[in-house]
Amino acid sequence: AQKVTQAQTEISVVEKEDVTLDCVYETRDTTYYLFWYKQPPSGELVFLIRRNSFDEQNEISGRYSWNFQKSTSSFNFTITASQVVDSAVYFCALLGTRGYNKLIFGAGTRLAVHP
Amino acid sequence: GAVVSQHPSRVICKSGTSVKIECRSLDFQATTMFWYRQFPKQSLMLMATSNEGSKATYEQGVEKDKFLINHASLTLSTLTVTSAHPEDSSFYICSARLANNEQFFGPGTRLTVL
Repeated sequence: AQKVTQAQTEISVVEKEDVTLDCVYETRDTTYYLFWYKQPPSGELVFLIRRNSFDEQNEISGRYSWNFQKSTSSFNFTITASQVVDSAVYFCALLGTRGYNKLIFGAGTRLAVHP
Repeated sequence: GAVVSQHPSRVICKSGTSVKIECRSLDFQATTMFWYRQFPKQSLMLMATSNEGSKATYEQGVEKDKFLINHASLTLSTLTVTSAHPEDSSFYICSARLANNEQFFGPGTRLTVL
């Protein structure tokens, strides 16, 4: 079975704080993909990153960084120096490549950044 | 990234009527599109996989006679909610997957059934 767990339902921070959103996944596939999406209040999903299971390099894009650790089946997302515009719901998702090869979403983490 | 559009963005209808939602890939061809439903403060739940030129594949628990999917061309998939009821009120989102497994989403359609 494939599963994505985002244990943090809501996080509230003050602007300029760093915040890490956790994502733990389960899959039996050896090849799979992990994603993060941002859903602002408008509702449209914004693609942030895709990572395949063979690439464990951490990635940094501006204030965003991702830490992929296969040993703990985690793909955590950190926002450095958060801003009010970062307020949104963030979804972690998993795409397997055998059997059920459809995108499965975690429950999402609602991030509120206060001025 | 690739652009996926949806129309309409918002629709309000009376109970018992049918509503059609269009999903288009604007700058690429998509043999496979997906339809998701999202209730307030919940995650996206996959409803069905829309395959160009063939029947859609529905997830367990989704009524295929109620949610009709047509993928008539490589750039268009439609979802028709037949005989809509208030419990069908939700945010419907389509997506299209590229060959490299990136998946792009439409802006969503908010359906309200009175």
